[in-house]
Amino acid sequence: QVQLQESGPGLVKPSDTLSLTCDVFGNSITSSNWWVWIRQPPGKGLEWIGYIYYSGSTYYNPSLKSRVTMSVDTSKSQFSLNLSSVTAVDTAVYYCAQKGTGDTYYATWGQGTLVTVSS
Amino acid sequence: QSALTQPASVSASPGQSITISCAGTSTDIGYNHVSWYQQHPGKAPKLMIYDVSNRPSGVSNRFSGSKSGNTASLTISGLQAEDEADYYCSSYTTPSTLFGGGTKLTVL
Repeated sequence: QVQLQESGPGLVKPSDTLSLTCDVFGNSITSSNWWVWIRQPPGKGLEWIGYIYYSGSTYYNPSLKSRVTMSVDTSKSQFSLNLSSVTAVDTAVYYCAQKGTGDTYYATWGQGTLVTVSS
Repeated sequence: QSALTQPASVSASPGQSITISCAGTSTDIGYNHVSWYQQHPGKAPKLMIYDVSNRPSGVSNRFSGSKSGNTASLTISGLQAEDEADYYCSSYTTPSTLFGGGTKLTVL
């Protein structure tokens, strides 16, 4: 069964780029899965950021599309999120997750990592 | 796209049943791609229901899902203390996902 673990800086300055990585354990990152990012501002609801296939195909939330870049490193079995020009509203717990091809839900989630945007 | 509409909170006593609604439109809930997630404080969401009414392996049969028109519902029967959590509905409309605002369930 796949396990996911997020990592990255817990504090990012306004206007900088937020960069996170998710390590994939227990399943090949090149299997038939889409690798997902979802975030949750403190005390608020969930927001889908987007997902990426190991081949590099991506789908992003239209509201974030201009600032989001996702990538996959198959040699390290990890995928990444870059969010540029961050402001305080980007402060959130960021989760990575997994979606099977053809699935309409997210069966496996990482534990989440809090990223605070502040000077 | 606007978030799906859920009640902010519901409460009931142990042993009772509750239903949480999730209202959307024909372009999101209207498809049978509704899922529900349970989230305890400080924890990641956990999938409880997918494709309106299907339970993943290991999820108690006290949890059930349904849909009528553009409103989906999650019902929890025989409430237990451990059910106290936030619940989020979600609609998958290829290729994006929309979440509800979340409902806090309090077990009195």
